[in-house]
Amino acid sequence: QKEVEQNSGPLSVPEGAIASLNCTYSDRGSQSFFWYRQYSGKSPELIMFIYSNGDKEDGRFTAQLNKASQYVSLLIRDSQPSDSATYLCAPNNQGGKLIFGQGTELSVKP
Amino acid sequence: GAGVSQSPRYKVAKRGQDVALRCDPISGHVSLFWYQQALGQGPEFLTYFQNEAQLDKSGLPSDRFFAERPEGSVSTLKIQRTQQEDSAVYLCASSLGGRGGPQHFGDGTRLSIL
Repeated sequence: QKEVEQNSGPLSVPEGAIASLNCTYSDRGSQSFFWYRQYSGKSPELIMFIYSNGDKEDGRFTAQLNKASQYVSLLIRDSQPSDSATYLCAPNNQGGKLIFGQGTELSVKP
Repeated sequence: GAGVSQSPRYKVAKRGQDVALRCDPISGHVSLFWYQQALGQGPEFLTYFQNEAQLDKSGLPSDRFFAERPEGSVSTLKIQRTQQEDSAVYLCASSLGGRGGPQHFGDGTRLSIL
C-alpha cells in the first residue's frame, strides 16, 4: 500500500462545477495535511493546509479532514480554467517531511 | 528575497560529473528541505535541515548525494559521479518553524544527465 494515494486522473470538470479531489494516507501519526497546486513545469504552490478534523474553507477551496478514516479531500467550487493543474496531497509525518501522493491532474473545460 | 531561490534553474551534465545545486530559503526560515521530483510523480523527500543541523537524510538515494547548510541559511545539494537516473527536478522548500509547518517551494533545478 502506498503511503499516500490520490484518485487517479485526469479529472475533467466543466467551468463553474465543483471539483472533488480525494486522498488517503497510511501514517496515523500524521498531524498536518497540505494541498499543493502544481502547474506544468512549475514548482508546487501551497493552497491549503488543515490540522483538525472537519472542514476548512478559504475562498473557493474547502479542505476536509477525517483522521479516523485517514482521508483528506479538497473541493474547488466554481471551477475556472485557471484551476487546471495537478493537485498534490501531502501529509506531514511526525518527522517533518512531506509525503506526497502521485497527484491528480485536473482539467477545467470552458 | 521574498521566496525560496534556487540556482541554477537548469543544469546539464555528462554522466560521471559532479554537480552542485544551491538553495537560498526565505529569510528567517528555520527548516529547509530537499525533494526530488521525477516526471509525472509527486516530489520525494531527500533530506531536512533545522538551522545548520541535518536532522534527517533518510531519503538520499545513495552516498553520492550530499547536502549541507553550514551557516543555517543557504544550502547546497551535491551529487557526485552523476548517473542518468539522477535526472529529475530538485526542489528546495523552507518553513518558518520546526517540524510540521507549511513548506514553501522554490522553482527547482531541472537536472539532465547525458
